[in-house]
Amino acid sequence: EDQVTQSPEALRLQEGESSSLNCSYTVSGLRGLFWYRQDPGKGPEFLFTLYSAGEEKEKERLKATLTKKESFLHITAPKPEDSATYLCAVQASRDSWGKFQFGAGTQVVVTP
Amino acid sequence: KAGVTQTPRYLIKTRGQQVTLSCSPISGHRSVSWYQQTPGQGLQFLFEYFSETQRNKGNFPGRFSGRQFSNSRSEMNVSTLELGDSALYLCASSLKWDRLGEQYFGPGTRLTVT
Repeated sequence: EDQVTQSPEALRLQEGESSSLNCSYTVSGLRGLFWYRQDPGKGPEFLFTLYSAGEEKEKERLKATLTKKESFLHITAPKPEDSATYLCAVQASRDSWGKFQFGAGTQVVVTP
Repeated sequence: KAGVTQTPRYLIKTRGQQVTLSCSPISGHRSVSWYQQTPGQGLQFLFEYFSETQRNKGNFPGRFSGRQFSNSRSEMNVSTLELGDSALYLCASSLKWDRLGEQYFGPGTRLTVT
């Protein structure tokens, strides 16, 4: 059975204090791994798609990396506006395009 | 460009009733997926529609059903509501099959079952 586990569950950072979120996965035939950001009262917002081990994607202060068993989301010099829940999801190659399996998320709070 | 819209935003229903939720995807998007989000289980896949056809279904009982219309708008229905159905129901749409992962989510419908 496919599994996605995110750690830590919650993370409190000072502004400018860099850190990493972890997403470990077990899936038979990975088509892609995705990172989303979700603000309170809103739907998830797409951040990155990673397809194969060794791939990296960057967007502003965020950088996502992928290995064969896990992915990391690095937050460099975070700002308060980076506070959100970060969700990791995987899609197996046997599934249709719209079906993702999500992890439970990491709630990040960045204080000034 | 308007985003994904979901109606209603909030619903309160009584156990045993049924409910219909609506989702309008971004103009031009033909794929619509539905998810249930709860504090305990996180985001769980319900089903996905493309061109009025259900292409995949998650592990939910038959009380959960959906459909998609020719204009890509989608509805989901939950019959015989149970207390455990209280959740945020999210709809997501995407444009192309090859833009893997780029699903655009609506704000969700918060369903409370009493």
